[in-house]
Amino acid sequence: KAGVTQTPRYLIKTRGQQVTLSCSPISGHRSVSWYQQTPGQGLQFLFEYFSETQRNKGNFPGRFSGRQFSNSRSEMNVSTLELGDSALYLCASSLNGDSGNTIYFGEGSWLTVV
Amino acid sequence: SQQGEEDPQALSIQEGENATMNCSYKTSINNLQWYRQNSGRGLVHLILIRSNEREKHSGRLRVTLDTSKKSSSLLITASRAADTASYFCATDDSSYKLIFGSGTRLLVRP
Repeated sequence: KAGVTQTPRYLIKTRGQQVTLSCSPISGHRSVSWYQQTPGQGLQFLFEYFSETQRNKGNFPGRFSGRQFSNSRSEMNVSTLELGDSALYLCASSLNGDSGNTIYFGEGSWLTVV
Repeated sequence: SQQGEEDPQALSIQEGENATMNCSYKTSINNLQWYRQNSGRGLVHLILIRSNEREKHSGRLRVTLDTSKKSSSLLITASRAADTASYFCATDDSSYKLIFGSGTRLLVRP
């Protein structure tokens, strides 16, 4: 079956703009989480959703937000972009997010802020 | 913030040799997962080991977990050029998130 699908794969935005990234989880998976990867900070957790509810949120400013739809697809939004938001944004899915679930990642969305 | 450190940060070996990477973490965990990342790509799941397990095998991969030392190791036997990638450990403490280590960059020379 298809893996985790993220769109777009690459995008360039200007400071102050906003961006929306999309994620389609593996069929049957209801938990979706997002991570930011940068050379300086490594892989950091953004948020996790299950049944359209955010269950956990990482230590990121309020400019970072997300949501999950009834079909488990998820989007994340970053408003008022800053240069430091340039990163690889990774979406992951698992059956229900419970401990012990294997968590599968997509190919990521490369965001460059200029 | 990251859960812990991986050691070494970078490793260069000859094809056919074994590669060992170590991961240390700070808090109690339920399980630990290892991932591979090729340059600029997403994370590929390699293996999950639960806190009550001490060792697990998958093909050429062997993972050990020592919860008393809060550490894990990943051994890749008979390495291939295609194993060149970054390897990350990630811990799960039942809070619906993974906490990643800093990663080991592995270079396998043909």
